[in-house]
Amino acid sequence: DAGVIQSPRHEVTEMGQEVTLRCKPISGHDYLFWYRQTMMRGLELLIYFNNNVPIDDSGMPEDRFSAKMPNASFSTLKIQPSEPRDSAVYFCASSLREREQYFGPGTRLTVT
Amino acid sequence: SQQGEEDPQALSIQEGENATMNCSYKTSINNLQWYRQNSGRGLVHLILIRSNEREKHSGRLRVTLDTSKKSSSLLITASRAADTASYFCATPSFQGGSEKLVFGKGTKLTVNP
Repeated sequence: DAGVIQSPRHEVTEMGQEVTLRCKPISGHDYLFWYRQTMMRGLELLIYFNNNVPIDDSGMPEDRFSAKMPNASFSTLKIQPSEPRDSAVYFCASSLREREQYFGPGTRLTVT
Repeated sequence: SQQGEEDPQALSIQEGENATMNCSYKTSINNLQWYRQNSGRGLVHLILIRSNEREKHSGRLRVTLDTSKKSSSLLITASRAADTASYFCATPSFQGGSEKLVFGKGTKLTVNP
């Protein structure tokens, strides 16, 4: 398996623009997680899905953030409108039955 | 929350030495996990230790868990330059009816050749 795939790897955008991050989990995994990592706050869980259903979105910062998982092999995290404070590395991870998580390479987002 | 706190925040050693990192957590857990993150990459799972285990080995890694002290340690023996990375402990947290992993801020390990 290719592991968790994320795209794009880097994104630079201007404040106010919409940003869409994409994730393909490992085939057969039933949990998918979105994290954000910054120097100041460390690794934060934003939202996670089980069998494509959002279970806990309490980590989503505000209404500007939304996430979807239309099927078992694809998820998106959207920020609209983006702000400079959203600059961070966003990770997607997947797991099988709440065991160890497998992380993607991350998307480095810079909002100017 | 049951956030694990790693100690020290940063550690610099010479190749061949052992590296010990500690993690403390706040409430009872059923397992604890350690992850490694190389610069610019995603986290990689290293080892999971259950609450009924006191010690676990994986290659040059040794993890201990002391539930009475709510602490865990990760020992890397005979360190190599390639072990340079940040190391995180993660503990499960039950909030709002769901369980999720909560990661600490990590220990940044530098192994000098």
